[in-house]
Amino acid sequence: AQSVTQLDSQVPVFEEAPVELRCNYSSSVSVYLFWYVQYPNQGLQLLLKYLSGSTLVKGINGFEAEFNKSQTSFHLRKPSVHISDTAEYFCAVSSLGFQKLVFGTGTRLLVSP
Amino acid sequence: DTGVSQNPRHKITKRGQNVTFRCDPISEHNRLYWYRQTLGQGPEFLTYFQNEAQLEKSRLLSDRFSAERPKGSFSTLEIQRTEQGDSAMYLCASSLTPTGRNTEAFFGQGTRLTVV
Repeated sequence: AQSVTQLDSQVPVFEEAPVELRCNYSSSVSVYLFWYVQYPNQGLQLLLKYLSGSTLVKGINGFEAEFNKSQTSFHLRKPSVHISDTAEYFCAVSSLGFQKLVFGTGTRLLVSP
Repeated sequence: DTGVSQNPRHKITKRGQNVTFRCDPISEHNRLYWYRQTLGQGPEFLTYFQNEAQLEKSRLLSDRFSAERPKGSFSTLEIQRTEQGDSAMYLCASSLTPTGRNTEAFFGQGTRLTVV
């Protein structure tokens, strides 16, 4: 079984500042890792994914994440945030069979001017 | 292709009534998933289909819940005798059978159920 921990329920940040959203996972088998973004009353949009290869993954909207196997982490970063990045961000894990995604509880990113 | 489509977007029902939601996946996707998301939580897996076969069901899917995908295309999720605890956003997602770089799920906009 897998589990995901997103320790920060809310992260306030000023526009143009850098941000890091933390994600730690637990699994007894190899996993794939994902970050999704959810805007109010919307579904989830994939930001980026780690399947294999380079541990630094670049995604859409200037986001990137680094897979750290020894620390079982997959933190999401953006060097300069915009007001439009205000949303809920979910980290998720799946086994290599990709039968289902296990999500964390989410981190609300609040960007203010 | 317009992506994963879910109908209705919103549903308000009285406790004890039955409701049915529909999901139309991306046309070439053979896998279809259902998730439930309650306020302030991440989505929780309910069930998934490979073509028309339902391959896994979560223990969250009580006997009041049933999902079908009769011809391997659209899917329906029915909840019988709804309870207030069923109030949630029901999300549908679809994917190809994962092979390398195509491993990802595409989500619909969800159906928000309110049981009063």
